Amino acid sequence: DAGITQSPRHKVTETGTPVTLRCHQTENHRYMYWYRQDPGHGLRLIHYSYGVKDTDKGEVSDGYSVSRSKTEDFLLTLESATSSQTSVYFCAISESSVWLNTEAFFGQGTRLTVV
Amino acid sequence: GNSVTQMEGPVTLSEEAFLTINCTYTATGYPSLFWYVQYPGEGLQLLLKATKADDKGSNKGFEATYRKETTSFHLEKGSVQVSDSAVYFCALSEGAGTALIFGKGTTLSVSS
Repeated sequence: DAGITQSPRHKVTETGTPVTLRCHQTENHRYMYWYRQDPGHGLRLIHYSYGVKDTDKGEVSDGYSVSRSKTEDFLLTLESATSSQTSVYFCAISESSVWLNTEAFFGQGTRLTVV
Repeated sequence: GNSVTQMEGPVTLSEEAFLTINCTYTATGYPSLFWYVQYPGEGLQLLLKATKADDKGSNKGFEATYRKETTSFHLEKGSVQVSDSAVYFCALSEGAGTALIFGKGTTLSVSS
């Protein structure tokens, strides 16, 4: 199994509070991704990174920011959590572009509830 | 923009039945196509993939053929097992540095 760890695995937080989710990898893969999974929507890309300090927005980036100061860590921050951000968040990694026949590996997910 | 459309679920089958989950895509270029599977309480795992037209991906008895003329990548299995119960996601990636774009997922439930 690919070495990818998400923390925390579960979190309940109050509306308006900041929240940071962490994705840690031990594979030295270049690409890292944050997705959210919601019923009826499948997985939607929030942000991704193609190297240290290199990030780009995905389909549903509003209300989220990311940082990648080291190859192994990709942080997702909700600056002021809202109930619409209640979701399961998945981190994924890939050695190079998945378009180039490279597999993406997924973490086990973080279940976030905003009350 | 690029998108993936999967058949609505849930799909409920008896053990040893034939499975088809339809997937069609919209893309401006020549994407790579993937099927991922998510077992209960777990993250997604790559099931199979195809990177060019007419390629057939296969794994664990599942197959899917990249059909450029119909922009489809339907997942099939000849005889499903209870252990195949999961959510199946079709996905595409187009161009260097681009991420996976997923369909909404199809839940498969197999009973003995």
